[in-house]
Parts: sequence; structure tokens; C-alpha cells
Amino acid sequence: AQRVTQPEKLLSVFKGAPVELKCNYSYSGSPELFWYVQYSRQRLQLLLRHISRESIKGFTADLNKGETSFHLKKPFAQEEDSAMYYCALSGGYGQNFVFGPGTRLSVLP
Amino acid sequence: DTAVSQTPKYLVTQMGNDKSIKCEQNLGHDTMYWYKQDSKKFLKIMFSYNNKELIINETVPNRFSPKSPDKAHLNLHINSLELGDSAVYFCASSHTGQGNEQFFGPGTRLTVL
Repeated sequence: AQRVTQPEKLLSVFKGAPVELKCNYSYSGSPELFWYVQYSRQRLQLLLRHISRESIKGFTADLNKGETSFHLKKPFAQEEDSAMYYCALSGGYGQNFVFGPGTRLSVLP
Repeated sequence: DTAVSQTPKYLVTQMGNDKSIKCEQNLGHDTMYWYKQDSKKFLKIMFSYNNKELIINETVPNRFSPKSPDKAHLNLHINSLELGDSAVYFCASSHTGQGNEQFFGPGTRLTVL
């Protein structure tokens, strides 16, 4: 079964501090992993996906198949990064997206 | 030029009523979805649908049913509303296939009194 866990419901950091949002998954095949972000009163939007290997808004995430993790990192957090972050997994064709429970990131001034 | 739109934005209704939420996408996607986001911000998929198959999350009560008049629309019908149905419902769409980005609508906040 597909499953995504995000152990932290809330993560508070000070502006300029590094931030790491944890995500672990379970899936027997080769999944696609994503991070979605939801800013206050806005719709969910894709932040990044592991196949792109890109950095968006200073965030990066590396898929570690050995540890079945896809942690989201940013070296210097900004106040505008405050939002809900969801890790998501897509299995094979015909299988749904599975979202993690979400982590609320609060960047303090 | 909104990509995924939903109406209404807010819906307040009494227990026992039947209501619908509409969703439209103009991205040319062939798969559409409905999600429920509860008060704790937990996001759960309810349905995914393309013109070939409907995938239903088995935990969704059969009071909920998706209706797709065409590829650009996937409406959500809810019968006999219950207090626990109060949540924000998000529509989304994507191209079919693993790994395709889902584009979300703005959400509909449903409050059942």
C-alpha cells in the first residue's frame, strides 16, 4: 500500500535559519515524489518533484530510496516560506496520489 | 483564464440536504480529482476520474458521487449531508499518468449546520 508520513505537524524556525521538512514513504514499486505548498488562503500548488532535480524558491529535495525519504530543505528560511507543506507520492498508472498529513512551517522574524 | 475553478466558494447548509459543488478545468487535462481537507488540514483523495475509469477511495461514503458531463467538468454531489462532511473540498486536474502535476482549484468551504 502507498503511504506517506510527515512526522512534524508544526515546525517553527527563525528567519535565516536552515529548515528541513521530513517526509518518508512506503511503496513497493518506483514512486514519483512531490512537494506541494499551500500558502494562507491559497490553493495547493506544486513546489517541486524529484524527477526534476531542480531548486524552487531555494528549496531542494533528494529522493533517498534506501531510507525511503524525500526531505525538503532550504538553507536560509524566509518569512514568506510560512505555509503548509505536503509531501505526495504517485504510484503506477491507475493509482491515486497519496498526500502526507502536512507540516505547517512557521518562519519567525 | 483561471485553470481550475470551483463554485461555490462557500456553501452553508443544513444536515440532511443534498448539495453539489462544480469544478471546471480549461487545461485540456483528461483526469480530474476531488479531495477533502479537514479541519486539521489533512488532505484525502476522494475520487479520480478520466473518461475511462473512476477510482474511488474506499473510505468515501456512497453519499458522495462524482458526475462528469464532459472532460472539462467533474462535479461533486453529496446526498443527506452530515455534520462530519464540513470541510474544504478541492478539485484538481492533471494529464493521465504517473508523475503528472496536479493543478488545484481554490477550494469550496462546506459548512453543515
